This record gives sequence, C-alpha cells and structure tokens, in this order.
Amino acid sequence: DAKTTQPTSMDCAEGRAANLPCNHSTISGNEYVYWYRQIHSQGPQYIIHGLKNNETNEMASLIITEDRKSSTLILPHATLRDTAVYYCIVRAAGGSNYKLTFGKGTLLTVNP
Amino acid sequence: DAGVTQSPTHLIKTRGQHVTLRCSPISGHKSVSWYQQVLGQGPQFIFQYYEKEERGRGNFPDRFSARQFPNYSSELNVNALLLGDSALYLCASSGQETEAFFGQGTRLTVV
Repeated sequence: DAKTTQPTSMDCAEGRAANLPCNHSTISGNEYVYWYRQIHSQGPQYIIHGLKNNETNEMASLIITEDRKSSTLILPHATLRDTAVYYCIVRAAGGSNYKLTFGKGTLLTVNP
Repeated sequence: DAGVTQSPTHLIKTRGQHVTLRCSPISGHKSVSWYQQVLGQGPQFIFQYYEKEERGRGNFPDRFSARQFPNYSSELNVNALLLGDSALYLCASSGQETEAFFGQGTRLTVV
C-alpha cells in the first residue's frame, strides 16, 4: 500500500470548515483513498473514501487532485465533537484481503 | 444492528501470562482483522481472517495467534506476555464490498 503523509496537528474554530490535507504521491491506479478518525480511546470510525472523483457524504467531503497524488478531507462545519485524530489511508478496495496501514494521522482540535 | 463487539473492555495481566481477546463481527461480515495500538501511535495490523482462513499477518512475533470460528467470531491469543504488549487491541469486521468497522477495543495492561 502506498505511503501517506499528513500534518501532525491542526486547529480549527468551531463552525468553520476544517480542511485536512494528505499526500500520497506513490498511489497506484487501483488504490483508493480512505479516511478514518479516532476519538480519544475509541475505535477508528470510517468517514469516506474515493478513487478519483470528489466524494461527499453526511459526514464530510473528499477532494482528490487530478493526478491523485494528494487529497483533502473537508468537514464543512466543524464541531467540538470533531476533535479527533484523522487518518488518511491508501489501499486497494474490495476483495477478501482487508489490511489498513495507519500512520500517525493528524490531530484536529476544534476550538470554541 | 449491533456493531463490532469486543470483550473484555479492560484487562490486567502479569508478565509471562497468556491472554485471549474476543471479537464478534457485524452480522453478515465474514472478515475479521486485529490491530494493536500503543500509546501515541496509529493502529498496527496484526492479522486478518476471512472465511476462517488467515489472509494476512503483520510483523508480530509467533507469540501472537488468532483464529476465526464458523460463526465468524474471532479470538486473538497472546502468549508469554511482555510489558510492551500493553496496548489497545482493536478488532474490525468487513463485508465483501463494505468498509471496515471497528470495535471499541480491549485495553490490555501488562504489569
């Protein structure tokens, strides 16, 4: 699986958009970009994933650059409950092999 | 629907002892994966089982073993516990075309 690079930490004001970047310059053509988050001492929570098109769901939006070497997770209106470590992961989707390679992620702190 | 359930939630063991951690996947999910998360790090992949067969193994010593049962639940076993095995152990289940969903983990402390 391709390696990802994320900032160690970021701050965001409550109610503002949080934009979390991720670099994955060695991504392969069949690899998807996944985002998970982990609130303190809980299990990771799936947020969103995408291949090359921008994706949006009830939690967030995922913007992937045209060359697919980087992406941005957008939380449109951050709340205090969005304070968590956010992990950007690259893997091939589907099939029976399911391994997620986590880095250290980005600690997002949402401030009042 | 119940999510991924893990038991116990917390556990304290002594060095050299053995421990068994349990995981029940989401109904209909046939794949179970185990991860170890030490303080300050992201989760590290230990094992993946699909249809009761091992499909992947991370860089962990042979003291770590796992198995999956016919009902797709799983156990993670760790022998000869070391202080460094203290961590949050996470179980994740996934279906053929679904994402991985994680349990709340088992906090293991080795003293």
